[in-house]
Amino acid sequence: GEDVEQSLFLSVREGDSSVINCTYTDSSSTYLYWYKQEPGAGLQLLTYIFSNMDMKQDQRLTVLLNKKDKHLSLRIADTQTGDSAIYFCAERRTSNTGKLIFGQGTTLQVKP
Amino acid sequence: SAVISQKPSRDICQRGTSLTIQCQVDSQVTMMFWYRQQPGQSLTLIATANQGSEATYESGFVIDKFPISRPNLTFSTLTVSNMSPEDSSIYLCSVGGSGTTISYEQYFGPGTRLTVT
Repeated sequence: GEDVEQSLFLSVREGDSSVINCTYTDSSSTYLYWYKQEPGAGLQLLTYIFSNMDMKQDQRLTVLLNKKDKHLSLRIADTQTGDSAIYFCAERRTSNTGKLIFGQGTTLQVKP
Repeated sequence: SAVISQKPSRDICQRGTSLTIQCQVDSQVTMMFWYRQQPGQSLTLIATANQGSEATYESGFVIDKFPISRPNLTFSTLTVSNMSPEDSSIYLCSVGGSGTTISYEQYFGPGTRLTVT
């Protein structure tokens, strides 16, 4: 199927960690992505992970991939008010095309 | 990363008219794509813009409604034809790869916010 699913909303306090979850259905996915969209802006590529990896860390961001369960998560350490945005996960199923299948997006609200 | 610009950034158009959106990249890229984000929704791929040949459209999108040009490796246009209010969306250009290299990093432009009245 086409579905990539995310929870719609997450609220955390400033300084806490945020964990945004995503599930996908296609086991042939090659790359999985996280994008950030701030109000009125385009999509910013945060990070991506190849499907044969379990984890990728980049500064405050940690991506975990459980390929068996088709589950992807994005952890943001020490969440700041500037992290408030919509976060989209996306999967690429075929390595030689640019078609990404997006989830619905998770709105992250960071309270001071 | 590639720097992508789009023109116009936003527009309000009357139904029945057409709007052409431009996408310019600061370096040669292998792949260029057009996505649509309907209000409050996720992104859907419209088509892949192929340099020197006809675009490849996804199911539900047709060339007559969304003609696309890609004259070179840094530029593409998307036209939204015979617009109706249902076409009100953000249209985003996306690129991947540099030169002739396929890259798995994929970047998006700032989007064009279209409102059809």
